[in-house]
Amino acid sequence: NAGVTQTPKFRVLKTGQSMTLLCAQDMNHEYMYWYRQDPGMGLRLIHYSVGEGTTAKGEVPDGYNVSRLKKQNFLLGLESAAPSQTSVYFCASRAGSPLHFGNGTRLTVT
Amino acid sequence: GQQLNQSPQSMFIQEGEDVSMNCTSSSIFNTWLWYKQDPGEGPVLLIALYKAGELTSNGRLTAQFGITRKDSFLNISASIPSDVGIYFCAGQGGGSEKLVFGKGTKLTVNP
Repeated sequence: NAGVTQTPKFRVLKTGQSMTLLCAQDMNHEYMYWYRQDPGMGLRLIHYSVGEGTTAKGEVPDGYNVSRLKKQNFLLGLESAAPSQTSVYFCASRAGSPLHFGNGTRLTVT
Repeated sequence: GQQLNQSPQSMFIQEGEDVSMNCTSSSIFNTWLWYKQDPGEGPVLLIALYKAGELTSNGRLTAQFGITRKDSFLNISASIPSDVGIYFCAGQGGGSEKLVFGKGTKLTVNP
């Protein structure tokens, strides 16, 4: 039982490049979330999903897109990366109340 | 939107000291959660609180769900070096799919 797995762990992009971050959970959770963590800002919600095939915007959705084609996977896409998207990205999932987090993806955009 | 005010932002303490941190909100929450984040890892749940007035312990950690449902505190007794990390509070309102996080309290413990 791996819990919440994020890939890749690290990535460096040039401005304008695109990439997809993958989140996979093996706990059969309905709810999945993408957060970004920046120094002094805490965790800010980007997008979330309440079930397979659904997505919704969070607090800071601009510049990101998501898809939940399968219940166990939640993809976060950056179509045209900007330096302001340099951050640590965390995926989380839940069935009831507590969120279970992955170990993060550190993304640097130069 | 909903916001949580978490304080203090950082703490520098000596090993063996007790620690207290808290979160306040302008909104009522039905659930309060406390997480700890170690460097390079994701947050891990420490304590979950589901009822106003609830006081829950997990080893040396104790957390309380405020009576007004707008605040919560976390205490750590007899701190040890491995308590170092960032502690986050999070609240969830009734019927909401989203958790709101505080900005974290960074704890440093000097041996």
